[in-house]
Amino acid sequence: EAGVVQSPRYKIIEKKQPVAFWCNPISGHNTLYWYLQNLGQGPELLIRYENEEAVDDSQLPKDRFSAERLKGVDSTLKIQPAELGDSAVYLCASSQGPGQGQETQYFGPGTRLLVL
Amino acid sequence: GNSVTQMEGPVTLSEEAFLTINCTYTATGYPSLFWYVQYPGEGLQLLLKATKADDKGSNKGFEATYRKETTSFHLEKGSVQVSDSAVYFCALFIQGAQKLVFGQGTRLTINP
Repeated sequence: EAGVVQSPRYKIIEKKQPVAFWCNPISGHNTLYWYLQNLGQGPELLIRYENEEAVDDSQLPKDRFSAERLKGVDSTLKIQPAELGDSAVYLCASSQGPGQGQETQYFGPGTRLLVL
Repeated sequence: GNSVTQMEGPVTLSEEAFLTINCTYTATGYPSLFWYVQYPGEGLQLLLKATKADDKGSNKGFEATYRKETTSFHLEKGSVQVSDSAVYFCALFIQGAQKLVFGQGTRLTINP
C-alpha cells in the first residue's frame, strides 16, 4: 500500500515569492493534516481536513497561507508571499475518519522549504 | 493545557547499550500516547502507541508503557543498534480536538 506522497521534496525560493506544496494521502483516509516542523522542534498542526472540509484551521496564518482539498483526496498548501521565517519542513499526514482509528496518523516525507 | 515534555538531547550511546528516553505529558482526559521516529531527511514514522493506562506498546525491540499515575510514556530498548540513530518524538492525541501534540524531539546517535 502506498504511503502519503508529497511533492516537491525540496524547494528554494526568494522571499516574497509564492510557493505551493502538494499532498496525496493514503487511499481511503478521510482525514488529512498539514503540519509545520521548524528546525529542532516537533511538528505543529496547521490545518485539518475531514474529506473536503477544513474543520480546524485555527493555527493557519491566514494572511499568507491558504490550503484546499477540493475533491476530498489531494491537498495543496500555499504560501504567498513567503517570508524568511517560513523556512521549515511542511509535513502532510493522513488518517482514517473519526471513530475509525483517527488517532493514528501516517506522515509523508515532507517538503523542505528554504526562503532566501 | 495539553503538552508533552521529552528528555533533552542529544543522546549518544554505544552499540548494544540500554536506551531510555523520558517523556511526560499534561493532558485533560485520557489521551492516546505515541512514539514517532524520524530518520534523516524523512518524515515521521509511527514506532509504537498505547491507548489506555498500563498498556504497553512495542515494536522493533522498543517498548513504552502508559503510566497514568506518573503521566509518563518512557521509551526503552534493551540493546540499541547504529541503525536506531534518529530523532524520536513523543506525542499525545487529544480526542476532543482530534489532534496530535508533539514533544520537541530527542536526537539519538548510536556509535559502533
